[in-house]
Amino acid sequence: QQQVKQSPQSLIVQKGGISIINCAYENTAFDYFPWYQQFPGKGPALLIAIRPDVSEKKEGRFTISFNKSAKQFSLHIMDSQPGDSATYFCAVHSPYNNNDMRFGAGTRLTVKP
Amino acid sequence: DGGITQSPKYLFRKEGQNVTLSCEQNLNHDAMYWYRQDPGQGLRLIYYSQIVNDFQKGDIAEGYSVSREKKESFPLTVTSAQKNPTAFYLCASRSPQNTEAFFGQGTRLTVV
Repeated sequence: QQQVKQSPQSLIVQKGGISIINCAYENTAFDYFPWYQQFPGKGPALLIAIRPDVSEKKEGRFTISFNKSAKQFSLHIMDSQPGDSATYFCAVHSPYNNNDMRFGAGTRLTVKP
Repeated sequence: DGGITQSPKYLFRKEGQNVTLSCEQNLNHDAMYWYRQDPGQGLRLIYYSQIVNDFQKGDIAEGYSVSREKKESFPLTVTSAQKNPTAFYLCASRSPQNTEAFFGQGTRLTVV
C-alpha cells in the first residue's frame, strides 16, 4: 500500500528559482518527517527533517512546511542551484508501527544554469 | 570512520542463481533496512530488523530472505524465486532515538 504520495515526479527550475516538492501521508501515527537527497549512483542522505509539533523548519536555503491537519508536508528550496540537481525523497517514520520507514516515489529535480 | 558499507557495488546474476548482498554498519544502530529502488518507483521496503535475530517483511519481501545474526550485519539474499531482480538495492540503519537513517552506497544487481 502507498502510505506516502509525493509530487511532482520531476521538476525543472531555473537557477535562482524556488523548487517546491510536496508529500501527503495517511497514517497519523507517523512522528518524524525527513527529506532525503540522492545523487546518481549514491545512497540517499538526510537533508532536513521536522517533527509534527512545529509547522516550519528552515536550514539555509531549505525549508520544510508541515500541515498536520491536512497530513501534508513540503520541501522548499530557495535560490536553487545546479548543484541541487538530484532526486529528493520524502519519508515518514513511525515508532509504533514496528519502527519501519516509508518513502515517497521521489522527485527528480533539475536546476538549469 | 563510522558508516554503513554495502558490497559489492555491482553484481551480476545468472537466471536461477541465488546471490547475497552484504550490509555492515559500525554505527551501533539497532534497526536495519533493505530497500529496492527502481526508476520512477522510489524506495520500496523489502525487509527490516529492529534487533538481532528478529526481522519483519516489508512491502515486497517475496523472493528475498534476510538474516540478523549480528547487530552489525544484515545480509540480503535474492533467491531464484525473485522473477525480476534487476534493480539498485539500498541498505540503511537507524538510531534508537528514531531519527536520521543512514544509507549505504548501494548494490546494483543485474540478471544476465
